Amino acid sequence: AQSVTQLGSHVSVSEGALVLLRCNYSSSVPPYLFWYVQYPNQGLQLLLKYTTGATLVKGINGFEAEFKKSETSFHLTKPSAHMSDAAEYFCAVRGADTDKLIFGTGTRLQVFP
Amino acid sequence: NAGVTQTPKFRVLKTGQSMTLLCAQDMNHEYMYWYRQDPGMGLRLIHYSVGEGTTAKGEVPDGYNVSRLKKQNFLLGLESAAPSQTSVYFCASSYIGSTYYNEQFFGPGTRLTVL
Repeated sequence: AQSVTQLGSHVSVSEGALVLLRCNYSSSVPPYLFWYVQYPNQGLQLLLKYTTGATLVKGINGFEAEFKKSETSFHLTKPSAHMSDAAEYFCAVRGADTDKLIFGTGTRLQVFP
Repeated sequence: NAGVTQTPKFRVLKTGQSMTLLCAQDMNHEYMYWYRQDPGMGLRLIHYSVGEGTTAKGEVPDGYNVSRLKKQNFLLGLESAAPSQTSVYFCASSYIGSTYYNEQFFGPGTRLTVL
């Protein structure tokens, strides 16, 4: 069955530092992978997605993620954190039952000045 | 386009009361979903619909019912609310296309408290 694991429920970085949020997936079929962001008191917004083709995917707000099949990973990075990046981030994989997305438990990012 | 909207934004119920949450989308999406979000548990799928007049159970369907009488609307009902249903509820929708990745579009959420 498809699943995603997000390592670290909380990540704290200083403003200007590298952001690295980890996601590992398990999939019995070629995966479609997503990162969503949830700002306080809002719904989820798509940051980026991997479907096919280039393994380095660029998203909004300077975020990017690299699909590594050998490591079954899809980690999210941003070279320089901004205070406005403080939010909760969810990794998701489309299930073998393609009607559904399987979400990780989320990582809350804090950015300190 | 308003995207996905949810009504109401907040609600407080007493145990045993009933209510209906309304989700509406104006993107002509085929698929619609109801999730609940609880701390440390991510999003859990309650029910979903793959088209008008059809619904299916998700991961945590007990205590909830749904209806999809119109393509643009998806209703979530609680017949007899329990404190365990205190949560934030999100509706989402997605489209069917030649390249179907199931990218989902989310509403702003409904915060429900059951006392």
